[in-house]
Amino acid sequence: ILNVEQSPQSLHVQEGDSTNFTCSFPSSNFYALHWYRWETAKSPEALFVMTLNGDEKKKGRISATLNTKEGYSYLYIKGSQPEDSATYLCASPKGGGNKLTFGTGTQLKVEL
Amino acid sequence: DVKVTQSSRYLVKRTGEKVFLECVQDMDHENMFWYRQDPGLGLRLIYFSYDVKMKEKGDIPEGYSVSREKKERFSLILESASTNQTSMYLCASGGRNNSPLHFGNGTRLTVT
Repeated sequence: ILNVEQSPQSLHVQEGDSTNFTCSFPSSNFYALHWYRWETAKSPEALFVMTLNGDEKKKGRISATLNTKEGYSYLYIKGSQPEDSATYLCASPKGGGNKLTFGTGTQLKVEL
Repeated sequence: DVKVTQSSRYLVKRTGEKVFLECVQDMDHENMFWYRQDPGLGLRLIYFSYDVKMKEKGDIPEGYSVSREKKERFSLILESASTNQTSMYLCASGGRNNSPLHFGNGTRLTVT
C-alpha cells in the first residue's frame, strides 16, 4: 500500500444496523492514524487519533481498531442512527508530524 | 472549543482573477493547512505552515501561494484563477504531532 485507501466507497444501511469500514495505509514508517467524520454542510470533525498497534478507541457507539503491522484500521458503528450519516475519512501523516494524507472516504447513509 | 474560521462560504470568480482565501484560528496552533476536496479524490494538501512566515508545499501546490504573517492567520492565494481550481477549499489547524486537526467550514470556490 503506497497511499491511504478506504473501502467501501459508499454504504447504505438501515437504522439499527451495525456496520464497519476499512482504512488501509502504508505499514512502514507508521506514525499515527486519524479518523474524521464529515457531515454535509459542516466541517470535518476528529473522531480518533491512534498510534499504537492493537489500539482500540471508543466514542459512544463508534469504535476503531488499529493494526500497524499489516497496515489497516477498522471503524465500527453499532446500532446506526440517521445522524451517523456522513463521510468518514481516515488519514495518516507522511513522514511524521501532522501533515496528513487522507483517504477518499466512506460515505455512509443510514435510512429509517 | 477550537474555532477555525474561513472568510467566505461561497465564492464565484472569473478566470484570471487573483483570489484570496482567508483562514483564522483561535487556539494558538503552530500548524495550519490548506486542503482542497474534489469528488473521488479526497482531501489533497496544497500548502501548510508550521510557524509564522514558514511554509511548505503540499502535494498539489501548483497555481497557489500562501501567506502566514501572523500565527492565527493563514491565507491561500490563487494568483490567476483557472476553471480547474473550482473546488471546495478547507483550512485546518493543529497543535503538536499526532494531535487531531481542526477544520473550518470550507469555501466552495467556482471559477467561471
